[in-house]
Amino acid sequence: EAQVTQNPRYLITVTGKKLTVTCSQNMNHEYMSWYRQDPGLGLRQIYYSMNVEVTDKGDVPEGYKVSRKEKRNFPLILESPSPNQTSLYFCASSPWDRGPYGYTFGSGTRLTVV
Amino acid sequence: QQPVQSPQAVILREGEDAVINCSSSKALYSVHWYRQKHGEAPVFLMILLKGGEQKGHEKISASFNEKKQQSSLYLTASQLSYSGTYFCGTEIGNTGKLIFGQGTTLQVKP
Repeated sequence: EAQVTQNPRYLITVTGKKLTVTCSQNMNHEYMSWYRQDPGLGLRQIYYSMNVEVTDKGDVPEGYKVSRKEKRNFPLILESPSPNQTSLYFCASSPWDRGPYGYTFGSGTRLTVV
Repeated sequence: QQPVQSPQAVILREGEDAVINCSSSKALYSVHWYRQKHGEAPVFLMILLKGGEQKGHEKISASFNEKKQQSSLYLTASQLSYSGTYFCGTEIGNTGKLIFGQGTTLQVKP
């Protein structure tokens, strides 16, 4: 089944403890992206990647890191999480290089930083 | 620049129609529409391209006015399953980078 897989689905952590949210897609998509969703603000882009080893900042990149060493994986790293990073996170992918197509989203990761 | 959606919320009875609008201050290459049900991931509905081409599925239609940088999503004869939050995503240039609006919550009642 074609899908984007995120892990974990739920995570509660303490301020300052490094964490990684994984994202993997099995559709050979070039483009991958991370969004955070907060009430009333919609989906805001954190980072995106056009291809392996090519990443760029989205609209809210502060406090986050990403890497794209393999085409299928695009992990999101929070080096020192803070409570304002409590949010619902989505990973998405698309085959944008083959023409305009919609995004496929992962199931989401609900992160709570205390 | 985040696109602006209107209205913020809509309540309908089954069988009624609704229109959701999305407006951008930037020249757009494409507009996407997604629906998100509570607790779930957004699901792709439709893409509208500069020049008029549309790609999508389901019994939902949309328009894209390139001159005004506006798009509208038309939900006709609404069903209970149409309930959810609708997001437009705008692409400036053929980059694959989408910026989403703040969402429109649609509730369809029996």
